[in-house]
Amino acid sequence: SQQGEEDPQALSIQEGENATMNCSYKTSINNLQWYRQNSGRGLVHLILIRSNEREKHSGRLRVTLDTSKKSSSLLITASRAADTASYFCATDPSLDGSARQLTFGSGTQLTVLP
Amino acid sequence: DGGITQSPKYLFRKEGQNVTLSCEQNLNHDAMYWYRQDPGQGLRLIYYSQIVNDFQKGDIAEGYSVSREKKESFPLTVTSAQKNPTAFYLCASSSRQTGEAFFGQGTRLTVV
Repeated sequence: SQQGEEDPQALSIQEGENATMNCSYKTSINNLQWYRQNSGRGLVHLILIRSNEREKHSGRLRVTLDTSKKSSSLLITASRAADTASYFCATDPSLDGSARQLTFGSGTQLTVLP
Repeated sequence: DGGITQSPKYLFRKEGQNVTLSCEQNLNHDAMYWYRQDPGQGLRLIYYSQIVNDFQKGDIAEGYSVSREKKESFPLTVTSAQKNPTAFYLCASSSRQTGEAFFGQGTRLTVV
């Protein structure tokens, strides 16, 4: 079952603009993770936010988590053409955060136009 | 250097054949996973394994089988019982300490 659902499904912006993607989920989680996938490749881990955290930063990435609304957002600031990829959220419901059964959403396809 | 390796990158299968996809990791991770990805879709969990000689079915295990005889290896067999096997298959392993998953580069399986 796909617990995380990203919104929008596709997003097209100009280089230099900010990109915001949202993720909603259904059950309690230990943590929520964001991954990036370039076309035809494996996924690369971007950032993990734990259920007791509300915001986290990593370089140009900012992730927020609202457990009361069961939602998260990923903000990419000052986007570049190289940011073009699919972005997935993944939820980890395990009590110990061991990623026993990471559940992925269907992704947001981000296109950054030069 | 450490990582997770899938082979082959492309695989063609005739209808009625079984094929095995390889996944090897040298990250010393206990947990390993197989996911299936269809075009424009997210990842669906096929099987996962938390320790050697133990594995659990995911959401779409029918028509697939796995083994975990070694910590480093988690091969996936796509059997003839899988009616629609054409897809992109991703193997991953995860760190118990961080919960972060590391992915291989995937195997694209096509039935001809």
